[in-house]
Amino acid sequence: EADIYQTPRYLVIGTGKKITLECSQTMGHDKMYWYQQDPGMELHLIHYSYGVNSTEKGDLSSESTVSRIRTEHFPLTLESARPSHTSQYLCASSESGRAVSQPQHFGDGTRLSIL
Amino acid sequence: SQQGEEDPQALSIQEGENATMNCSYKTSINNLQWYRQNSGRGLVHLILIRSNEREKHSGRLRVTLDTSKKSSSLLITASRAADTASYFCATDFTGANSKLTFGKGITLSVRP
Repeated sequence: EADIYQTPRYLVIGTGKKITLECSQTMGHDKMYWYQQDPGMELHLIHYSYGVNSTEKGDLSSESTVSRIRTEHFPLTLESARPSHTSQYLCASSESGRAVSQPQHFGDGTRLSIL
Repeated sequence: SQQGEEDPQALSIQEGENATMNCSYKTSINNLQWYRQNSGRGLVHLILIRSNEREKHSGRLRVTLDTSKKSSSLLITASRAADTASYFCATDFTGANSKLTFGKGITLSVRP
């Protein structure tokens, strides 16, 4: 099993609240990713980071923001949650040092419901 | 869209049978990866095949890649009930800066 952890696993919260989804990995990976996945659907990349103080937006536009102050930690924040943010959010990490992608290790996700 | 497209969308087989799943894509790739996702869990990496490889094996898994047809297949032999899951192909497109693009997945049900 990969050593990447997401908390909380489930979150039900009201509209307008500020939310932070936590993601930590103990593998020393430089590359980390956030994906959004609706039930039975594909994963969409919303943010990624290739190292400390490096963050980029993914292919799917998202109102969320991320930070990468420490190698092992890659939190995602929604300043004001809306029902359209209801989804599953998956965090992943992979080794770096090469030009092509390496296998990604995933956390078990946070299932977010905004009322 | 550049994403890989899996086929079929859903597959139901009897335990002990083989399961074959296909993935097609549109542009050149560095590599192609297959992942499994159990219900309510994250994805688990199964196998990576590079663009200069044609076939790879891992236990009961066999993956092929045909870059001329831009397609890949995942074969699970002697399936078990525990193989019930969704399977995704993910492509590392040339020039994508090592990001992966995931398909919509195949739901595999293995009946005991």
